[in-house]
Amino acid sequence: NAGVTQTPKFRILKIGQSMTLQCAQDMNHNYMYWYRQDPGMGLKLIYYSVGAGITDKGEVPNGYNVSRSTTEDFPLRLELAAPSQTSVYFCASSYSGDVDYEQYFGPGTRLTVT
Amino acid sequence: DAKTTQPNSMESNEEEPVHLPCNHSTISGTDYIHWYRQLPSQGPEYVIHGLTSNVNNRMASLAIAEDRKSSTLILHRATLRDAAVYYCILRDDTGGTSYGKLTFGQGTILTVHP
Repeated sequence: NAGVTQTPKFRILKIGQSMTLQCAQDMNHNYMYWYRQDPGMGLKLIYYSVGAGITDKGEVPNGYNVSRSTTEDFPLRLELAAPSQTSVYFCASSYSGDVDYEQYFGPGTRLTVT
Repeated sequence: DAKTTQPNSMESNEEEPVHLPCNHSTISGTDYIHWYRQLPSQGPEYVIHGLTSNVNNRMASLAIAEDRKSSTLILHRATLRDAAVYYCILRDDTGGTSYGKLTFGQGTILTVHP
């Protein structure tokens, strides 16, 4: 199993540009999550999904959109990039939201907006 | 969400035991104690979790105080690869709107000296 994969690894955007961060998992997990991590800080939840076709906002959803058309994929869309969105983005997945199921994280995408 | 408090940083020597403390004085009866760690330039990874009893797995041990207001993650023999940020996280077992949410604090930076 590849686990959770993310592309690209690095990206530099100009202010106002848009892009999609890709996330895929091959573990047949129902739950998927997007987090961002600013320097020296813990991760903050942006969006999550409990299954194909179902998404909802986390703590910091402004400036982002998601979709979940398949179990495997959970792309994160940035519209009109701003410097405040400079961060490292992590995708994660879990079989269930139950406390006994761990989340598996991808390697991250480092995004710089200038 | 119940809050956790961890020291900002700790140091250890290789092959010595490490005890990483976490205070959670406002923990509720349905909160599980989870630990994740984040190696440099990687996504977080699950370490261990428990509710009331002490827990052991191949990575670490978790010692939970009788009143559950604190816990300690124990690495029995630290290696250089254990150098990471360790996060103590409370997860609510009431299901429903918790959707498996992980709320990350700033964690403890563990430095391991050769």
